[in-house]
Amino acid sequence: GESVGLHLPTLSVQEGDNSIINCAYSNSASDYFIWYKQESGKGPQFIIDIRSNMDKRQGQRVTVLLNKTVKHLSLQIAATQPGDSAVYFCADLSGGSYIPTFGRGTSLIVHP
Amino acid sequence: DAGITQSPRHKVTETGTPVTLRCHQTENHRYMYWYRQDPGHGLRLIHYSYGVKDTDKGEVSDGYSVSRSKTEDFLLTLESATSSQTSVYFCAISRTGDGKNIQYFGAGTRLSVL
Repeated sequence: GESVGLHLPTLSVQEGDNSIINCAYSNSASDYFIWYKQESGKGPQFIIDIRSNMDKRQGQRVTVLLNKTVKHLSLQIAATQPGDSAVYFCADLSGGSYIPTFGRGTSLIVHP
Repeated sequence: DAGITQSPRHKVTETGTPVTLRCHQTENHRYMYWYRQDPGHGLRLIHYSYGVKDTDKGEVSDGYSVSRSKTEDFLLTLESATSSQTSVYFCAISRTGDGKNIQYFGAGTRLSVL
């Protein structure tokens, strides 16, 4: 992943806006991808996953897009709410591995 | 909720003392993990286990040991704690099946080594 120092990239949005959080991965053999949400003081929480044979998957208010050509995935959150404020990070796995590679995350701040 | 309990949730200890963190799961998952999370580094794998008595090192295993004598319990031990081991420690399990491999995490243990 990219090195951005001690501070996470931050995305600030207004309540009701749509949010897009990006993640780059480096392993071209990765075939399974997961997004996590981590609220302050809590453990990471699974949001949505996608396999490499798909380029889009939708959940409740969230959509994950996968672009394998440029090794990029994004998480779109519709109608962002204050409760969505958290750190979001991606993870990728390859070839049946049980050891994911985690991104460092993006801090999402939702202003009422 | 994947039935993961970490204990203790908070711990303050002194340099040079041994510390053991416990992870308990209720769903009989084969894979269990210990991570540490620090500002600027994200989640880093310390050790993982793929069965009773089967463990392996992660990227930051120096200074840590683990044991898994029962499927449900995975212990992380700092033999002689150092200030650099001040961190938040997360246990995780892998829930697999139907082509999925999703890690679920405990609530974390905040460890301060003074």
